[in-house]
Amino acid sequence: KNQVEQSPQSLIILEGKNCTLQCNYTVSPFSNLRWYKQDTGRGPVSLTIMTFSENTKSNGRYTATLDADTKQSSLHITASQLSDSASYICVVSASGGSYIPTFGRGTSLIVHP
Amino acid sequence: EAQVTQNPRYLITVTGKKLTVTCSQNMNHEYMSWYRQDPGLGLRQIYYSMNVEVTDKGDVPEGYKVSRKEKRNFPLILESPSPNQTSLYFCASSQLFFGTETYNEQFFGPGTRLTVL
Repeated sequence: KNQVEQSPQSLIILEGKNCTLQCNYTVSPFSNLRWYKQDTGRGPVSLTIMTFSENTKSNGRYTATLDADTKQSSLHITASQLSDSASYICVVSASGGSYIPTFGRGTSLIVHP
Repeated sequence: EAQVTQNPRYLITVTGKKLTVTCSQNMNHEYMSWYRQDPGLGLRQIYYSMNVEVTDKGDVPEGYKVSRKEKRNFPLILESPSPNQTSLYFCASSQLFFGTETYNEQFFGPGTRLTVL
């Protein structure tokens, strides 16, 4: 069964610090992986999308990496800001006819001043 | 402005009273989808549609119906709501490159918070 596991479940950091969120998946065959940011009570917003051939992609202070061999991805946040407080969701989609994306349960990040 | 809209944003109803949550997108996207989000469980897909008159079940379709008569609209129908359908619902849309199975970014609506008493 396709699964996406995220760690840690929650994380508290101080403003200005860096952090890294992890995503491990068993989705196969792999098509693409997305990281979303979801503010409380609002719809998720895409941060990055990566396909098999991409191993790093940045979006401002957010940098995602992908290791398709080990089926792992990470999201690194640099110089965190209070507005980074949100849930970060890893979503992996399979190829080969299955159009159902598999969602991780998210990492809840709290940035304290 | 490119967007996905949902209505209503909040709804409190009683068991068994049929309801419809509307979803509309103005980006001419082929792919539309409904999700529910419950604490500790993350987002789970209910139904999706790859184009007009093409719909399919997601992971948790029981108790829900959908229709896709027009490209821009994808309503979610609860024929006989029950308390276990109390949840936060999101509609999303994206382009779909037919044949390559490559997806663009999904754009999510603002969410509908449903309470079934």
